Amino acid sequence: GESVGLHLPTLSVQEGDNSIINCAYSNSASDYFIWYKQESGKGPQFIIDIRSNMDKRQGQRVTVLLNKTVKHLSLQIAATQPGDSAVYFCAENESNYQLIWGAGTKLIIKP
Amino acid sequence: KAGVTQTPRYLIKTRGQQVTLSCSPISGHRSVSWYQQTPGQGLQFLFEYFSETQRNKGNFPGRFSGRQFSNSRSEMNVSTLELGDSALYLCASSLDGGKIPYEQYFGPGTRLTVT
Repeated sequence: GESVGLHLPTLSVQEGDNSIINCAYSNSASDYFIWYKQESGKGPQFIIDIRSNMDKRQGQRVTVLLNKTVKHLSLQIAATQPGDSAVYFCAENESNYQLIWGAGTKLIIKP
Repeated sequence: KAGVTQTPRYLIKTRGQQVTLSCSPISGHRSVSWYQQTPGQGLQFLFEYFSETQRNKGNFPGRFSGRQFSNSRSEMNVSTLELGDSALYLCASSLDGGKIPYEQYFGPGTRLTVT
């Protein structure tokens, strides 16, 4: 079936550098995407979302880019901090009430 | 405002047993969704309840069931436990889960281990 996936399971980034986490989706009908952050021992936390009629959305230190042509989503974190260490999930809206989640990317911050 | 709470936080059960997990949503939230999280599998959607009605269900066997009470608290039940049911079970609440944006708030999860 159609699903959301991630290119890199683990990403190591130097503190202060920018991080880019990628996500591929296969359902061209998906109209809404979300990025979540999950820290160890906690449930996922909403970071930022984007609708399919947009190609870019910015938040505080984070930017989500959507490329519908190649069905690709990315999360950019500026000036990565130790507190950004977590697993990041992308999720797509397949139908009402149900999100399809990717497998997650673990972000490791090197001091 | 208190966050989403889940009880118990940790649970160890034996194959063949059944288990009930509880979720208390944020006050005022009427939608509760349940997810199963296993290593390398991400989050798998189980079901979503709104105003005591199951609105959507994921692709899980009938051993997984749930319900929601009039105060929006929700329980999920797994009968005839299998080793593969070992996972972190997450509950998420929202004002109305059916509307975009999905402002879901997750609880810390219940870690279920089946031996």
